[in-house]
Amino acid sequence: DAGVTQSPTHLIKTRGQQVTLRCSPKSGHDTVSWYQQALGQGPQFIFQYYEEEERQRGNFPDRFSGHQFPNYSSELNVNALLLGDSALYLCASSLELAGPYNEQFFGPGTRLTVL
Amino acid sequence: AQSVTQLDSQVPVFEEAPVELRCNYSSSVSVYLFWYVQYPNQGLQLLLKYLSGSTLVKGINGFEAEFNKSQTSFHLRKPSVHISDTAEYFCAVSESNNNDMRFGAGTRLTVKP
Repeated sequence: DAGVTQSPTHLIKTRGQQVTLRCSPKSGHDTVSWYQQALGQGPQFIFQYYEEEERQRGNFPDRFSGHQFPNYSSELNVNALLLGDSALYLCASSLELAGPYNEQFFGPGTRLTVL
Repeated sequence: AQSVTQLDSQVPVFEEAPVELRCNYSSSVSVYLFWYVQYPNQGLQLLLKYLSGSTLVKGINGFEAEFNKSQTSFHLRKPSVHISDTAEYFCAVSESNNNDMRFGAGTRLTVKP
């Protein structure tokens, strides 16, 4: 079992550009959540995808968008990059029907640097 | 909405000493509570969780935590730490009626020989 995988590992972009990050969930999982972790901070919830739809969203602008594919993998897109978007982006997957709380398994993250 | 406060940003401790990492939360509804560990250049790994039932929760690597509803706390403890426990530790809370997990700012545990 490969667990949650993310690509790329590192990425450098300039202000105003657009970026796409990718996530493959743990085998058997159907729900994907994205988090932004700024340096020295805890992760912040961006949004969650289930059944190819955005189910819940944190306090992030519309520049942040996503997609979930039929195979449950997911993409995070960020438009019009700002310096403040520099962070580690974490993907977490879970199984909707796992029980009273569906435990999230995290990937290693994508380190985005905006210059 | 729920929130989490980790009271110590850094905790230095000597090897084989006990340690406690403090976490307080706020919420108006019932919650689920978690501790995660993050090693350098890695994602988050779940140490333990409280969903319901016994307030003393045991996790991996010898860690345990106690849920105290009256004090809205969920402190993490280990009776004897190892060098390999050096890492960043995050407390997180999730309300039972939504999927938004809130994390604290983290506590950097440094174990010295």
